[in-house]
Amino acid sequence: NAGVTQTPKFRVLKTGQSMTLLCAQDMNHEYMYWYRQDPGMGLRLIHYSVGEGTTAKGEVPDGYNVSRLKKQNFLLGLESAAPSQTSVYFCASTDGQVRNQPQHFGDGTRLSIL
Amino acid sequence: KQEVTQIPAALSVPEGENLVLNCSFTDSAIYNLQWFRQDPGKGLTSLLLIQSSQREQTSGRLNASLDKSSGRSTLYIAASQPGDSATYLCAVHPAGFQKLVFGTGTRLLVSP
Repeated sequence: NAGVTQTPKFRVLKTGQSMTLLCAQDMNHEYMYWYRQDPGMGLRLIHYSVGEGTTAKGEVPDGYNVSRLKKQNFLLGLESAAPSQTSVYFCASTDGQVRNQPQHFGDGTRLSIL
Repeated sequence: KQEVTQIPAALSVPEGENLVLNCSFTDSAIYNLQWFRQDPGKGLTSLLLIQSSQREQTSGRLNASLDKSSGRSTLYIAASQPGDSATYLCAVHPAGFQKLVFGTGTRLLVSP
């Protein structure tokens, strides 16, 4: 049981480049989330999805876009990367049909923008 | 706006000690509070989830309590081991929102 898988694990980009981070879960979860983790700031929610074909903004959505074309996948896109987007990105999922279920996290993508 | 604070930011103890990690939050309107463990370079692993109607949850050597009225939770680790060394994160699920609000964590080092 793989759980939540994020690809890639590491990436270095130049300012202005674009890229897509992929999150895949095999638990048939309805809800999926993208967070970023920065030193001293804790995890902050970027975007989330409550089901296939749906997306919504979190606390820090600017500069990011997301898509949920398939239930098991949640993509995070950076159209024009900026140094301020250097961070560790985590994807998480949970069974939204039942409240009070823990979120399951991937191992993260470490992204550096030069 | 919900805010979550964890004290201390770092803690170093010798193996075998019992210890308490603290978490406080500003708004008592929550669905639940969750404790996570994060190892270096890894994602978060859920340890315990306490629903808003519950007072505590236990798993092995871990016990988490919740006092919603005072906005506090504690994570008690009994007989600490070097393998417990990690960062421990507290998060609350605010009522009416689809998100978790995280604290900045307590970095724990247990020395042999």
